[in-house]
Amino acid sequence: AQSVAQPEDQVNVAEGNPLTVKCTYSVSGNPYLFWYVQYPNRGLQFLLKYITGDNLVKGSYGFEAEFNKSQTSFHLKKPSALVSDSALYFCAVPLGGTYNTDKLIFGTGTRLQVFP
Amino acid sequence: NAGVTQTPKFRVLKTGQSMTLLCAQDMNHEYMYWYRQDPGMGLRLIHYSVGEGTTAKGEVPDGYNVSRLKKQNFLLGLESAAPSQTSVYFCASSYSGETQYFGPGTRLLVL
Repeated sequence: AQSVAQPEDQVNVAEGNPLTVKCTYSVSGNPYLFWYVQYPNRGLQFLLKYITGDNLVKGSYGFEAEFNKSQTSFHLKKPSALVSDSALYFCAVPLGGTYNTDKLIFGTGTRLQVFP
Repeated sequence: NAGVTQTPKFRVLKTGQSMTLLCAQDMNHEYMYWYRQDPGMGLRLIHYSVGEGTTAKGEVPDGYNVSRLKKQNFLLGLESAAPSQTSVYFCASSYSGETQYFGPGTRLLVL
């Protein structure tokens, strides 16, 4: 079965420091992996996705994610955090497998708090 | 473009009452979804649709019904609300199923 895990409920980081939000996955076949962000009182917004190719994927708002097949991880990163990055971050994979992307399954979310 | 809109934004129901949540999208997307978001559980898929006139069950469909009579609209119905259905409901749409666009959410409180 397809699944993702976000091991940290919350990540705290000082503004200007690098940030990492962790995600591990379990999928059959080649993984498609996604990151979404939810700002307070808003719906989720797409950040980036990995389908194939380079292991480092660049997305919106200066975020990037590193795909690591041996560790089955897809961690979200940003070199220098901003207070405005404070939000809830979700990792996701297709529920039906690599070639059935009409549904996504989301992780439980990680709250990122960036302190001034 | 308004994107994905949801009506209403907030609603309070008594146990046993019924209601319908409306989702509308103006992006001509084929796929539409209803999720519920609960603390510590992330987003869970209730029902979804891969095109006008089609619906399918997601992870947590019990107690909900949906209809997709028009391509741009996806309705979520609660026939007899229960306190366990207190949640924040999100609608989303997608062209291909991968990148989904979410509405602002509906907060539902069932007393």
